[in-house]
Order: sequence, then structure tokens, then C-alpha cells
Amino acid sequence: NAGVTQTPKFQVLKTGQSMTLQCAQDMNHNSMYWYRQDPGMGLRLIYYSASEGTTDKGEVPNGYNVSRLNKREFSLRLESAAPSQTSVYFCASSEATGRNGYTFGSGTRLTVV
Amino acid sequence: DAKTTQPPSMDCAEGRAANLPCNHSTISGNEYVYWYRQIHSQGPQYIIHGLKNNETNEMASLIITEDRKSSTLILPHATLRDTAVYYCIDLGGNNRLAFGKGNQVVVIP
Repeated sequence: NAGVTQTPKFQVLKTGQSMTLQCAQDMNHNSMYWYRQDPGMGLRLIYYSASEGTTDKGEVPNGYNVSRLNKREFSLRLESAAPSQTSVYFCASSEATGRNGYTFGSGTRLTVV
Repeated sequence: DAKTTQPPSMDCAEGRAANLPCNHSTISGNEYVYWYRQIHSQGPQYIIHGLKNNETNEMASLIITEDRKSSTLILPHATLRDTAVYYCIDLGGNNRLAFGKGNQVVVIP
């Protein structure tokens, strides 16, 4: 099993450009999450989707949009990238209660210049 | 915001048991204690979790005090590959993990 797959692994954007970060899981998990991690910091929740068809804001949602395309896929979109969005982005998934732990992807390293 | 308190860093000797402390001063009755680790910019990895009882799996042991205000993650025989940032997290009914800055653990040969 691949677990959680994120694409791309690296990206450089110019300020104002848009892009979509892709995430897919093959574990039949109901819940999916997007986090960002800045240097020396823990992960902060951007958006999450408790189940297919639902999305909710996390701790730092401003400047982002998400789409739960189906049960497997959860994408994160930056409509107009800003240097403050330079970060490492992690996608994760879990079964509905989260009790058995989250599975994280390997991350997307985004630089906005 | 993270609700747990961990030391910012600690060193451990290779081959010895590593005991990683965590304080859960505001944990509520229905919140589980979770431990994750993050090895050098990889995605975090689930280690273990518990509610009241001590737990053990192939990676580690988790000791939770009777009042649940503190826990200890034990890596029985630390190896160089255990060098990572370790996070303890209280997970409640919202099922959303909130990460603090964690404990940078360095295993020394």
C-alpha cells in the first residue's frame, strides 16, 4: 500500500501565482487533513474533511481553499500565493475517530518568491 | 494550540532506554494521549496512544500516571534511527491533532 501520496514534492511559485497541492490515500479512511509546518515549529492544521462531502476550517485557513474530490482525494489550493505561504505542507488521513492514528504523507516543500 | 508541555530537547545514549516526559495539565476525561515522531522533515509517524492504562507495542511503551496529568514514552533500546522530534498530543472528541513544538531527541553513539 502506498498510504498517503502527495504531489508535487517540491514547488517554487512567484507571488500571485496559483497552484493546487494534491493528496490521495488508499486506506479507505474517512477523514483527511492538511497541515503546514514552518521552520522550528510544530504542524498547524489548515483544513480538514471529516468525511466525503464535508470540509471545515482548521487553525490557519486564510489564503487556502480545499476540495474533497472523493473519498480518496483531498486537494489544497492557493489562489494567489504569498511569501508567507512558504512552508512544508503535509496531508494526512485517518479513520473516522482518529483513534488508530493519522497516516501522513511525505510533504510538499513550497517556496513563494 | 498545543495543550501539552515537553522539554525542548534531550540527549539519549544509544542502546539505553530513553524516557520522554510529557505533562498534560489540562487533559479531560475523554481525551486520549498520543505520541508521534518526526524524523528530519519527513511526515510525522504515529507511535502509540492510550487513555488510562499503560500500553506497549513494537515501537515503544507508554506510561500514564493515575491522575493522567503526565505520561512517559519509553523507547526500550534507543538507536541512532530514533533521533527525531517527538510530540505528545491530547486527542479529544474533535479528532483533530494539535501539534506543539515537540521534544528534539538526539541519540548519541
